Amino acid sequence: EDQVTQSPEALRLQEGESSSLNCSYTVSGLRGLFWYRQDPGKGPEFLFTLYSAGEEKEKERLKATLTKKESFLHITAPKPEDSATYLCAVHPTGGGNKLTFGTGTQLKVEL
Amino acid sequence: DAMVIQNPRYQVTQFGKPVTLSCSQTLNHNVMYWYQQKSSQAPKLLFHYYDKDFNNEADTPDNFQSRRPNTSFCFLDIRSPGLGDAAMYLCATSENRQPQHFGDGTRLSIL
Repeated sequence: EDQVTQSPEALRLQEGESSSLNCSYTVSGLRGLFWYRQDPGKGPEFLFTLYSAGEEKEKERLKATLTKKESFLHITAPKPEDSATYLCAVHPTGGGNKLTFGTGTQLKVEL
Repeated sequence: DAMVIQNPRYQVTQFGKPVTLSCSQTLNHNVMYWYQQKSSQAPKLLFHYYDKDFNNEADTPDNFQSRRPNTSFCFLDIRSPGLGDAAMYLCATSENRQPQHFGDGTRLSIL
């Protein structure tokens, strides 16, 4: 069975304090791994897709990396506006269009 | 500018009273999804349409139905809502297996 585990569940950072969020996954085969940002009361907003181990994607203060067992979302010098829940989802091979989501990491960045 | 639009944003219904949630898209994507998300949980896929082909998840209760009259619109019908159906309902679209784009959801409350 496909599984996605995100850690930590919650993370509190000071503005400018860099850190990483983890997404560990177990799938028979990986077609793609997705990172989303979700603000309270809103739908998930697409951030990145990673397809193969060693791949990296960057957007502003965020960088996503992928290995064969996990993905990291690195946040460099975060600002309060980066506060949100970050969701990881895997698209397994043979899974049709279905994604398996993790429960997310709730990030709060304080001044 | 919104590409996946869900109406209404907030819906209150009575226990057992049928309710319909709607989703429209301007992306012309061929796949549309309905998810249920409860507080601090991962989005849970209920069903999806690949063009006109309906795909129901095995654990989606019979109480939940869906209609897709055309490419742009998709509806979620809950025939007899129970207290456990109170949640955020998210609609998403994708073109084949590309990243899913989400609407901002409908928050359903049951009285």
